[in-house]
Amino acid sequence: AQSVAQPEDQVNVAEGNPLTVKCTYSVSGNPYLFWYVQYPNRGLQFLLKYITGDNLVKGSYGFEAEFNKSQTSFHLKKPSALVSDSALYFCAVRAKGNNRLAFGKGNQVVVIP
Amino acid sequence: DTAVSQTPKYLVTQMGNDKSIKCEQNLGHDTMYWYKQDSKKFLKIMFSYNNKELIINETVPNRFSPKSPDKAHLNLHINSLELGDSAVYFCASSGWGTDTQYFGPGTRLTVL
Repeated sequence: AQSVAQPEDQVNVAEGNPLTVKCTYSVSGNPYLFWYVQYPNRGLQFLLKYITGDNLVKGSYGFEAEFNKSQTSFHLKKPSALVSDSALYFCAVRAKGNNRLAFGKGNQVVVIP
Repeated sequence: DTAVSQTPKYLVTQMGNDKSIKCEQNLGHDTMYWYKQDSKKFLKIMFSYNNKELIINETVPNRFSPKSPDKAHLNLHINSLELGDSAVYFCASSGWGTDTQYFGPGTRLTVL
């Protein structure tokens, strides 16, 4: 079975401060890891993914994430948060060869001006 | 230039009715999906088709029936709608063997 845990319901951060959204995963075999963002009344937008290679992955809108195999984590980070980053963020995992994507429960990010 | 599109965007209907949601992708992908997002924003996969063949069929009431007329389309038909079917339904697509799923804008279904 594959699963994702996003331990925090909401992350509050002041504009300009670093933003971190936490994600840990459980999967058999090599993980394929993803971050998506959902703005109000919109679909999910792909941000970034880790498949193989460099543990630090850079994605859209200045976001990056670091794959840590020993801690089974894939935390999303942004050095300087913008008010427009306020949204719902989903971490997802699937095993290599499995099209079934397991999502976390999502984290609401609120960037305070 | 919409990659994954869904119609309608909003659907309000009475209990017991039958309704359909349509999905189309112009990405040339082989695999398409239906997800349900509940009121707590939790996302769960319902179905997946690869090149018109059903490959994922989660524990979903058989009132829900996906249909894929071709690999660019995946429609969702729901019979005898119930209050608990109220949710946002997302379509997605990906290339076979590739990794990233791309999502449509969602259809908000409200059953009264």
